[in-house]
Amino acid sequence: NAGVMQNPRHLVRRRGQEARLRCSPMKGHSHVYWYRQLPEEGLKFMVYLQKENIIDESGMPKERFSAEFPKEGPSILRIQQVVRGDSAAYFCASQGAHNEQFFGPGTRLTVL
Amino acid sequence: GEDVEQSLFLSVREGDSSVINCTYTDSSSTYLYWYKQEPGAGLQLLTYIFSNMDMKQDQRLTVLLNKKDKHLSLRIADTQTGDSAIYFCAERDTNAGKSTFGDGTTLTVKP
Repeated sequence: NAGVMQNPRHLVRRRGQEARLRCSPMKGHSHVYWYRQLPEEGLKFMVYLQKENIIDESGMPKERFSAEFPKEGPSILRIQQVVRGDSAAYFCASQGAHNEQFFGPGTRLTVL
Repeated sequence: GEDVEQSLFLSVREGDSSVINCTYTDSSSTYLYWYKQEPGAGLQLLTYIFSNMDMKQDQRLTVLLNKKDKHLSLRIADTQTGDSAIYFCAERDTNAGKSTFGDGTTLTVKP
């Protein structure tokens, strides 16, 4: 059973471009969480999704950020018009049968 | 809102025990977790404890929970250099879904 997969692992964008981060949860998992980790900080919750539904987006900035988890395919975190402050590691987690969260390896976004 | 606090650094000698402490504020926490993060990697779930438990042991790891004081600790017995990493404490209220993380404790193991 493959773990949580994220791609790309590293992403470089110039200011003003769009960033698309993908997350495939573990097989059979239908709950996905996105977190952001700034350098030397812990993880901060962004958004919680089930298939085709956003359950909690209280941690996601209202502007430029969006997330989806379609019926088919991976969950996508989209950042429009990136700025330098968006540079961070973005982690996705999927939820197991005992409510534990399994994390992917992360996408490290660098905005030039 | 919820808050999770950890000391930032811990340094021990190889073979000693390490104790990493964590405090949290959310009284409705249902699960408490310890994760390990090595440089450039994701988070590895080490262990977790339900809020109705006091202790959980898993090989070299012992988790102690004092629910009254909202204090969680992770003890690593016979610490090895491979244990050097950042350790994150996290709490979760399953009604809320999301986890709240501390800022991590950097464990350095000296030979």
